[in-house]
Amino acid sequence: EAQVTQNPRYLITVTGKKLTVTCSQNMNHEYMSWYRQDPGLGLRQIYYSMNVEVTDKGDVPEGYKVSRKEKRNFPLILESPSPNQTSLYFCASSFGANQPQHFGDGTRLSIL
Amino acid sequence: GNSVTQMEGPVTLSEEAFLTINCTYTATGYPSLFWYVQYPGEGLQLLLKATKADDKGSNKGFEATYRKETTSFHLEKGSVQVSDSAVYFCAQYSGAGSYQLTFGKGTKLSVIP
Repeated sequence: EAQVTQNPRYLITVTGKKLTVTCSQNMNHEYMSWYRQDPGLGLRQIYYSMNVEVTDKGDVPEGYKVSRKEKRNFPLILESPSPNQTSLYFCASSFGANQPQHFGDGTRLSIL
Repeated sequence: GNSVTQMEGPVTLSEEAFLTINCTYTATGYPSLFWYVQYPGEGLQLLLKATKADDKGSNKGFEATYRKETTSFHLEKGSVQVSDSAVYFCAQYSGAGSYQLTFGKGTKLSVIP
């Protein structure tokens, strides 16, 4: 089954404790992206990757890092999480530019 | 920058009512346009898409027409069901060859029996 898999689905942690949210897709998509969803703000793009070793900032990249060492994986790293990063995060992938994106089920992060 | 504006919710309708959710976009050229749906506790699913002017996307009884002259992509359904209760997002790419998808803020639809 074609899918985008995120882990964990839920995480409660404390300020400053490094965490990684993994994202993996099995559709051989070149493009992957991370979004955060906040009430009243819709989805905002954090980072995206057009291919292996090619990443770029989205609209709200501050406090986040990403890497794309393999085509299927695109982890989101919070080196020193803060409470304002409490949010619902989505990973997505697509074949390329201007194509529909396929979304994971989301990761709900709470940072105390 | 590019933006997508969709009608604010929440929207509450009775079953079998007609639905319209307005969406306007600002990208120049001919960006691909999408409607996504998010059911409670789930990720976003593609509902329909249109890639050029006058295209009509349709799926599950929902329709939206790409209107270049009014820069709009309004979502419609003739007869909603309780199972259509969800949050709906309009989205656009900034242009051909673009990798950045911009979303509207979402419209929550509740359908009551």
